[in-house]
Amino acid sequence: DAGVIQSPRHEVTEMGQEVTLRCKPISGHDYLFWYRQTMMRGLELLIYFNNNVPIDDSGMPEDRFSAKMPNASFSTLKIQPSEPRDSAVYFCASYARGQGITGELFFGEGSRLTVL
Amino acid sequence: LAKTTQPISMDSYEGQEVNITCSHNNIATNDYITWYQQFPSQGPRFIIQGYKTKVTNEVASLFIPADRKSSTLSLPRVSLSDTAVYYCLVGDMRSSASKIIFGSGTRLSIRP
Repeated sequence: DAGVIQSPRHEVTEMGQEVTLRCKPISGHDYLFWYRQTMMRGLELLIYFNNNVPIDDSGMPEDRFSAKMPNASFSTLKIQPSEPRDSAVYFCASYARGQGITGELFFGEGSRLTVL
Repeated sequence: LAKTTQPISMDSYEGQEVNITCSHNNIATNDYITWYQQFPSQGPRFIIQGYKTKVTNEVASLFIPADRKSSTLSLPRVSLSDTAVYYCLVGDMRSSASKIIFGSGTRLSIRP
């Protein structure tokens, strides 16, 4: 398996533009997580899905952020409009509950977003 | 919510054993202890997980005392490539995935 795949790896945009980050989880994994990492706040959970259904979005910073999971192999995180304070590395991770109690999260390589 | 406390940074030398201790005083009965490693420009990577006593794999050992209020990640004979940030997490992924928090981590620097 290729692991969790995220795109784009790097994105530079201007304030006010719409940003869409994409994630393909590991096949067969039934949980998908979106995290954001900054130097100031560390690694924060934004939202997670179970079987394509959003379970907890309490970490989404504001209404400008939205996430969808239309099917088991694809998720998007959208920021509209983007602001400079959204600059961060966004990670997607997946997990298979069926793998038992280990609860190992598999992370993608991240999408580094810079909003000018 | 089980909060964890671990040293902000540690330094060591190649070939040494490194022990990173994490405190989690209010760990719940169903919680597991999991450690992740993160290199620059990469996502965190699972290292090891345990519930009690000792767990060992090809990468590390995890020591958990009987009261489970702390845990120690042990890296034997470290090399320069072990320079990374190490996170201690406490929780039960099955019931409360959103309550598993990545803290600040321990930034480990290995010198030649």
